Amino acid sequence: DIQMTQSPPSLSASVGDRVTITCRASQSIISYVNWYQHKSGKGPKLLIYASSILKSGVPSRFSGSGSGTEFTLTISSLQPEDVAIYYCQQCYSIPLTFGPGTKVEIK
Amino acid sequence: EVQLLESGGGLVQPGGSLRLSCVVSGFNFSGHAMAWVREAPGKGLEWISTLNGGGDSASYAESVQGRFAISRDNSRSTLYLQMNNLRDDDSAKYYCASRISAAAFKWFDPWGQGTLVTVSS
Repeated sequence: DIQMTQSPPSLSASVGDRVTITCRASQSIISYVNWYQHKSGKGPKLLIYASSILKSGVPSRFSGSGSGTEFTLTISSLQPEDVAIYYCQQCYSIPLTFGPGTKVEIK
Repeated sequence: EVQLLESGGGLVQPGGSLRLSCVVSGFNFSGHAMAWVREAPGKGLEWISTLNGGGDSASYAESVQGRFAISRDNSRSTLYLQMNNLRDDDSAKYYCASRISAAAFKWFDPWGQGTLVTVSS
């Protein structure tokens, strides 16, 4: 199974800050990574697929990059509505696996 | 508007069974693979199972293989998860999601709001 790790586990930043979350895979997964935002009490929402493609309708402050084993999700200017847990997920092979999540809070 | 609405969760004793349902509206249900993903208390997301649009090809996580069965009724736009021989560590919120694919890339979108399953004596 491909293991996904994320860092940091949590972060607290000010409104307007640039935030970066890192996701690492236990083996190369090329660009087969997706990112989801999960707010409390709701279902997760897709932000980015195929490592860097922003889903239509998602604010442009979100961006993704990376290939191989290291990937990043960046929020260019953190907003209050971005408070959530962010998960990366590999779709390279079954079983599909998620990272443990990064909790983002406002300072 | 696309909507996925899960139901069927509840309290069940270890060794018991439950059947979850996910009613979908707003898109061509039979044309999409569907999946179940769960989130245990204090833990992250765990993929459980995926079923193709025709309902004849399924895959499962090792943790539920042989105990859970995914199925669908395309005439009712409904996805099911039959859960048997439930264990304490199956306690989680269960989400259904549409599995979208393009070339070899796949992702889950959209997701339902989830239904809570608690396994306890």
